[in-house]
Amino acid sequence: DAGVTQSPTHLIKTRGQQVTLRCSPKSGHDTVSWYQQALGQGPQFIFQYYEEEERQRGNFPDRFSGHQFPNYSSELNVNALLLGDSALYLCASSFFGGGAEREQFFGPGTRLTVL
Amino acid sequence: EDQVTQSPEALRLQEGESSSLNCSYTVSGLRGLFWYRQDPGKGPEFLFTLYSAGEEKEKERLKATLTKKESFLHITAPKPEDSATYLCAVQATGNTPLVFGKGTRLSVIA
Repeated sequence: DAGVTQSPTHLIKTRGQQVTLRCSPKSGHDTVSWYQQALGQGPQFIFQYYEEEERQRGNFPDRFSGHQFPNYSSELNVNALLLGDSALYLCASSFFGGGAEREQFFGPGTRLTVL
Repeated sequence: EDQVTQSPEALRLQEGESSSLNCSYTVSGLRGLFWYRQDPGKGPEFLFTLYSAGEEKEKERLKATLTKKESFLHITAPKPEDSATYLCAVQATGNTPLVFGKGTRLSVIA
């Protein structure tokens, strides 16, 4: 079992650019959540995808958007990058069964630096 | 608004010196409380889920407990490889998003 995988590992962009981050969930999982983690802080919830739809969204602007594909993998897109978007972006996958979400398992993250 | 506060922010222990990390929470209705371990620059690693007050879970040198207002992560006879940031998160009923604390940064010195 490969677990949750994310790509790329590191990314450097300049202000105003756009970025796409990718995530493949753990085998058997159908739900993907994205988080932003600033240095010294806990992860902050961005949004969650289930059955190819955005199921929940945190307090992030519309510049942050996402997508889930039929194979449950997911993308996070950020437009018009700001310096403050520099962070570790984490993907977590889980299984939504019996009307309740099971534990979330995290990938290794993508370190985004905006210059 | 759901909130999680972890203390202390940082903890330095000698190898073999047992201690506890605290996670205080405020949530409308608790569905689950989660503990994760995070090494620098890596994603959080799942440790435990606790669902109801009085519940306890153990894994190697770690033991997690839960009351109606807080959770403790007890570390018995820690080793240097236990050094990491330990994150606590809560999920309210209704499958709401996880809310994380800022974590406790643990250093175990040989």
